[in-house]
Amino acid sequence: GESVGLHLPTLSVQEGDNSIINCAYSNSASDYFIWYKQESGKGPQFIIDIRSNMDKRQGQRVTVLLNKTVKHLSLQIAATQPGDSAVYFCAESKRTGNQFYFGTGTSLTVIP
Amino acid sequence: DAGVTQSPTHLIKTRGQQVTLRCSPKSGHDTVSWYQQALGQGPQFIFQYYEEEERQRGNFPDRFSGHQFPNYSSELNVNALLLGDSALYLCASSPRTGPQHFGDGTRLSIL
Repeated sequence: GESVGLHLPTLSVQEGDNSIINCAYSNSASDYFIWYKQESGKGPQFIIDIRSNMDKRQGQRVTVLLNKTVKHLSLQIAATQPGDSAVYFCAESKRTGNQFYFGTGTSLTVIP
Repeated sequence: DAGVTQSPTHLIKTRGQQVTLRCSPKSGHDTVSWYQQALGQGPQFIFQYYEEEERQRGNFPDRFSGHQFPNYSSELNVNALLLGDSALYLCASSPRTGPQHFGDGTRLSIL
């Protein structure tokens, strides 16, 4: 089956710094990726997505980078805020209507 | 515009019982997927419903079944509950092709 893994299970950053969360995926057939943020007691919240025909996509304070050669995905959060503290998941899918495979998540803690 | 809503929020059952969880998709979404999330893990795909039929299924036994209604809402049923079924059950809705949006889940505890 698919395997989506995260390099670092925990990450601590100072408020105002930039955060980078990494993700490796194993299925080269995956062509759609989403980053989710999950706060305690809540469901995953959509942050940003990217399709395999793109290398980079930007949102508000977030950027997702996709390197298909090494099957690597990253989420960059600019000017990290205390409200960004949560568990972040990357999820992969073979196409947008298909099931998603999730990694185990990275816990981001923002230090005031 | 309401997002994905799930009920109940919490549920306690004993081994061997049956449970039904409910999900109302986000307005405009016609596809519903169900996931199981164990503590400290990422969500695992159970199955997906579209046009009232199960379209895809993950690696879950047939004790897990579902249904989608004409209004796109969905139910997840689990029979013969085991202790290992204790988890957060998440519903996600989407248009046929598009990002999945999740509800806040039902926390199921099996005693």
